[in-house]
Order: sequence, then C-alpha cells, then structure tokens
Amino acid sequence: KAGVTQTPRYLIKTRGQQVTLSCSPISGHRSVSWYQQTPGQGLQFLFEYFSETQRNKGNFPGRFSGRQFSNSRSEMNVSTLELGDSALYLCASSPDGHNQPQHFGDGTRLSIL
Amino acid sequence: SQQGEEDPQALSIQEGENATMNCSYKTSINNLQWYRQNSGRGLVHLILIRSNEREKHSGRLRVTLDTSKKSSSLLITASRAADTASYFCATDKGYSTLTFGKGTMLLVSP
Repeated sequence: KAGVTQTPRYLIKTRGQQVTLSCSPISGHRSVSWYQQTPGQGLQFLFEYFSETQRNKGNFPGRFSGRQFSNSRSEMNVSTLELGDSALYLCASSPDGHNQPQHFGDGTRLSIL
Repeated sequence: SQQGEEDPQALSIQEGENATMNCSYKTSINNLQWYRQNSGRGLVHLILIRSNEREKHSGRLRVTLDTSKKSSSLLITASRAADTASYFCATDKGYSTLTFGKGTMLLVSP
C-alpha cells in the first residue's frame, strides 16, 4: 500500500501570497488531519476532515483553510502569507480517526521570504 | 497548545545501551501515542497505548502509562545508531486530534 503523499515537498513564497498544499491519504483512509511544525511552537493541530467535512479545527486564524474531496484527498490553503507561516506542514491519515495511529506524509516545507 | 512534555529534551547514548524517555500530560486521554521523526521527514507511528492499559511492548520498545500521574515512558532497549531521531509523545482524547509534546532528541553513537 502506498503511504501518505504530500506535494510539493518544498515551496518558497513571499509575504502576502497564498499557497495550496496537497495530501493524498492511504487508500481506504477517510480521515485526514493537518499539522504545522515549527521550531518554536512544535507540532500543532490545524484541522481534520472526514468524509468531506471538517470535523475538528485547531486554534489557527481563518487564513488557514482546507477541504477534502470525495476520494479523500485533501488540500489546505493559506492566504495572505506571513513570515511566521514558514513551517513544515504535515498531513496524516487514518481509517476513521478515532483512537487509531496516524500515518504521516513527509510534509511540505514552506518558506516565506 | 502543548499537552505532552517530554523529558529529557536531548539524550546521548552509546549503541547497545537503553534509552528512556518520559512524557507528562495535563488532561484526561483516550490513548497516548509515541512517534519517531528523522530529520526533515514525517512522523512514524511507534506504539499506541490506551488509557486502560498500563504497559505495552513492540519489538525493542516498551511503553508504560500511569494515568493517575498523567505520565508515560518509552524505553528503547539495545539502541542502534539507526534509532537516532526525535521522539514525540502525543495524547489523543478520541476526537482524532493529537496534541504533541516538544519531543526528545535521541543521539545513538556507534
């Protein structure tokens, strides 16, 4: 079985731009979660989608949004990029998200200039 | 917000030695999970221990959970250079969101 795939692996943007990151979960997994990892704040939960619905949301501003498609693939979007958005963005999937291990992709490294 | 706090922040040992990492958390949980992260890569799930379990083993890994003290420990026996990585504990309240600690950086020298 293929693992969680995130694209692109690296991205460089400038302040004020917007960006879209993509995540393809493991086949059959319907829950997809997104995390932001920075040296200062560590790993923080962004949001989780299940069956095309946002089920849980972390404490991030509205500039961070996401969606899930019928094939469970997910995208997250960050608008009006700020320097502080530079981070490793990780996607994780699981069959239904409850009391299960999460399977992570290798992330998208986003750098804001 | 960080719920889990790992201790120590960094650990350096020789191959063949055991490595013990501790994790404390603040609120009630459904389960606690441990993950490993190699530099620049994603997280790899190691072990999940449910709130009604006290100890769990997987290969060279042993995890304990003490819900009365809100703490967990991860023991890696007979460490190898390939075990060099950051290790994170994550608490799960059962709502498919994980709250991670800041991690322990483990260096295993040949």
